[in-house]
Amino acid sequence: NAGVTQTPKFQVLKTGQSMTLQCAQDMNHEYMSWYRQDPGMGLRLIHYSVGAGITDQGEVPNGYNVSRSTTEDFPLRLLSAAPSQTSVYFCASSGIRDRALGYGYTFGSGTRLTVV
Amino acid sequence: ELKVEQNPLFLSMQEGKNYTIYCNYSTTSDRLYWYRQDPGKSLESLFVLLSNGAVKQEGRLMASLDTKARLSTLHITAAVHDLSATYFCAVDLKTSGSRLTFGEGTQLTVNP
Repeated sequence: NAGVTQTPKFQVLKTGQSMTLQCAQDMNHEYMSWYRQDPGMGLRLIHYSVGAGITDQGEVPNGYNVSRSTTEDFPLRLLSAAPSQTSVYFCASSGIRDRALGYGYTFGSGTRLTVV
Repeated sequence: ELKVEQNPLFLSMQEGKNYTIYCNYSTTSDRLYWYRQDPGKSLESLFVLLSNGAVKQEGRLMASLDTKARLSTLHITAAVHDLSATYFCAVDLKTSGSRLTFGEGTQLTVNP
C-alpha cells in the first residue's frame, strides 16, 4: 500500500519556467489537497478537490493550477515560476469512509522546490 | 475565516519535565488533528480528536479537545530527547473533509 506518492522529491527551476508536481494516491480517497510549507507559517492550503472533476481554491492559489481527471491523481501546475514559490509542497488525501472510522489525512513525502 | 493559533511557537525543555502545547481555533470545528514533523520529513499523524471531551494518549503524549472553549492541548509527560520535533495542530470544518487549516507549529527541543 503506497499511500500518497509525490514526485519529484526535489526540483530547481528558473524564474518563468513551468512544471507539474505529481500526486497520486491508491486508497480510493475522494478528497485530495495541496499545501505549501514556508518557515514559520505552518502549512497553507493551495487547492483542493472533493472528487474527480471538482476542484476549488484554497488560501494561496495564485500562480498554481490543478485538475482532477481521475480519483487517483491530483497534479499541481506552476504556470510561470517565481522565487516566492520556493517552498516545500505537500499533497494530502482523505476519504469519506476513513473519516467515518475516525481516521485523518494521509500526507505525501513532499516536494522541495527552489526557484532561482 | 478559520484561524488556528498555537502557543508556544518555540519550546525548549529538559528531559524528564512536563509541558503543554495549546491550540486555539476560531470557529466550530468537527475534528482536530495533531501532527509531528521531523526536519526534512513529512507529517506524521499523532491524534485525531473527534468530539468534545475527547482524550487520547500515546506514550508520553496526551491530547485533549474542548470544543466549547475551542481549545486543544498536547501534554508531554517526562520528555525525552526523541520527542524533539515540530508539532502542528490542524482543524477541518464539519461540512468538509477535504481541507485542513494548520497552526503555525510548535518547535520542541528536549535537552539532556
